[in-house]
Amino acid sequence: AQSVSQHNHHVILSEAASLELGCNYSYGGTVNLFWYVQYPGQHLQLLLKYFSGDPLVKGIKGFEAEFIKSKFSFNLRKPSVQWSDTAEYFCAVNAQGDYKLSFGAGTTVTVRA
Amino acid sequence: GAGVSQSPRYKVTKRGQDVALRCDPISGHVSLYWYRQALGQGPEFLTYFNYEAQQDKSGLPNDRFSAERPEGSISTLTIQRTEQRDSAMYRCASSLLAGGNTIYFGEGSWLTVV
Repeated sequence: AQSVSQHNHHVILSEAASLELGCNYSYGGTVNLFWYVQYPGQHLQLLLKYFSGDPLVKGIKGFEAEFIKSKFSFNLRKPSVQWSDTAEYFCAVNAQGDYKLSFGAGTTVTVRA
Repeated sequence: GAGVSQSPRYKVTKRGQDVALRCDPISGHVSLYWYRQALGQGPEFLTYFNYEAQQDKSGLPNDRFSAERPEGSISTLTIQRTEQRDSAMYRCASSLLAGGNTIYFGEGSWLTVV
């Protein structure tokens, strides 16, 4: 089974600041990696995903994530956040060929206007 | 429908009562998943269907929990004799392909057992 660790429980930053959320997973095999976001009052939605190929993945709303296999990491980044990025962010992983997702505990991001 | 729809969005029930949570997946989606998310934690897998067949129920915590998807579309997660530890958000998701990697979540059903 996989486990996922998100390093920050709550991040507070100002608009235009850069954001980086850490995610590490433990699993020895080939994995698929995901970042999900839940905006206040909305459903959990996919931000970006990595299956194979270029380890730098670009997602919606200017987010990107980098898969570093040697570090078992898949950190999420955004160069300049907006107030509308206030949300809860979840990192998730599954083994290739498996349908079960293992999620981290989530990071709440608050962006101050 | 346009997205995954869950009802009720919020449910408060007394300990010992039975609860049924409903999920209406995206039309045409083969697979349906249930996850549970306790406060301060990420979602955890409960069970998975392809069409009407329950493929995996390994995540159901005990036999008070059951799920069905009798016609391969709408699913119901039932919790019998609820306990306070069952309080959580219950999330449903669906995917177009069987076991597909891109899954779409509903808004979730908040269950509070008092």
